[in-house]
Amino acid sequence: DAGVIQSPRHEVTEMGQEVTLRCKPISGHDYLFWYRQTMMRGLELLIYFNNNVPIDDSGMPEDRFSAKMPNASFSTLKIQPSEPRDSAVYFCASSSRANVLTFGAGSRLTVL
Amino acid sequence: SQKIEQNSEALNIQEGKTATLTCNYTNYSPAYLQWYRQDPGRGPVFLLLIRENEKEKRKERLKVTFDTTLKQSLFHITASQPADSATYLCALLNSGGYQKVTFGTGTKLQVIP
Repeated sequence: DAGVIQSPRHEVTEMGQEVTLRCKPISGHDYLFWYRQTMMRGLELLIYFNNNVPIDDSGMPEDRFSAKMPNASFSTLKIQPSEPRDSAVYFCASSSRANVLTFGAGSRLTVL
Repeated sequence: SQKIEQNSEALNIQEGKTATLTCNYTNYSPAYLQWYRQDPGRGPVFLLLIRENEKEKRKERLKVTFDTTLKQSLFHITASQPADSATYLCALLNSGGYQKVTFGTGTKLQVIP
């Protein structure tokens, strides 16, 4: 298995632009998580899905953030419009039991 | 408020010694606690899981203890090696039926040859 695959690995964009981050979880995993990591706040859970259904999005910072999981093999995290304070590394993780997480390599976002 | 606290300062240790990292939590009733390793530029990698009714878990040179009275977990690496240098994160799943895994901020370990 190739593991959890995220794209892009790096994204540099200007304030106000739309950003879309993508994730392909491990086949057979029924939980998918989106985390954000910064030096100041560490690893924060944004949202997680179970069987493609969003279960808890209380960590999504504001309405500019949205996440979808149209099928079991794909999820997106969208930021529109982006702001400099959104600069962070965004991780996707998947799990078959929601206890042992397998993380992707992350998407480093820089908003200028 | 809920908190998961790990030493924010880096831990420097001589090769061959035992490294001990601490994870303290407040206002959680964890069903289990996990430890992950994170190398620069990579995602965290799962190491060990310990359940609320377990006191200790071992895996090769790694040992985790879990004290629900003290609300603390200790993570030990015996016979440490430079390759063990990384950031180590603890994570909790709160009991209550929700599958929300919350992470501490991590402790950076540097093993000096």
